[in-house]
Amino acid sequence: EAGVTQSPTHLIKTRGQQATLRCSPISGHTSVYWYQQALGLGLQFLLWYDEGEERNRGNFPPRFSGRQFPNYSSELNVNALELEDSALYLCASSLSTTLYQPQHFGDGTRLSIL
Amino acid sequence: EDQVTQSPEALRLQEGESSSLNCSYTVSGLRGLFWYRQDPGKGPEFLFTLYSAGEEKEKERLKATLTKKESFLHITAPKPEDSATYLCAVQAVSGGNTGKLIFGQGTTLQVKP
Repeated sequence: EAGVTQSPTHLIKTRGQQATLRCSPISGHTSVYWYQQALGLGLQFLLWYDEGEERNRGNFPPRFSGRQFPNYSSELNVNALELEDSALYLCASSLSTTLYQPQHFGDGTRLSIL
Repeated sequence: EDQVTQSPEALRLQEGESSSLNCSYTVSGLRGLFWYRQDPGKGPEFLFTLYSAGEEKEKERLKATLTKKESFLHITAPKPEDSATYLCAVQAVSGGNTGKLIFGQGTTLQVKP
């Protein structure tokens, strides 16, 4: 069974640019989550999508946004990039949040802002 | 405020030397506690889910336990390949927390041969 896949593996941008990160969940999973893992800060919850709708978002500015497609894949968009956005962005998927199923993670996209 | 604290931050063991990692939590309405293992440059790998106090789960050399305030990850006779960062996370049902995992800072384990 294929796990969560994320692309690209690495992404280098400059301040003020926009970045798009992509995620394909495990087959059969309808919920997709995004987390930011910055150095020294641990994993911070960004967004949760289920059945194409944004269900919850963490304490991040509106320039962090995303969407979920009909095939349940998702993308995360970060506008007006700032130096502190440099981090590992992790996507996770699960069967159903109402049953508090475990979230399974991909290997992330390393975003570097120059 | 919901919070997860892991200790110690780092742990060095000799191969075969058993020990425990601690995860203390304060949340309003625990719905699940999750243990993950993260290797350098990789995403977290799911290990266990615990839902209620008194529950225990085992997998090879690892055993996770849960009380009303904390969870322990016991490592029995560890091997060098057990070296990794172990993350604890909780999911609570209170207001906007649905779907969100709250992570601790992790314990980095190094097992020397």
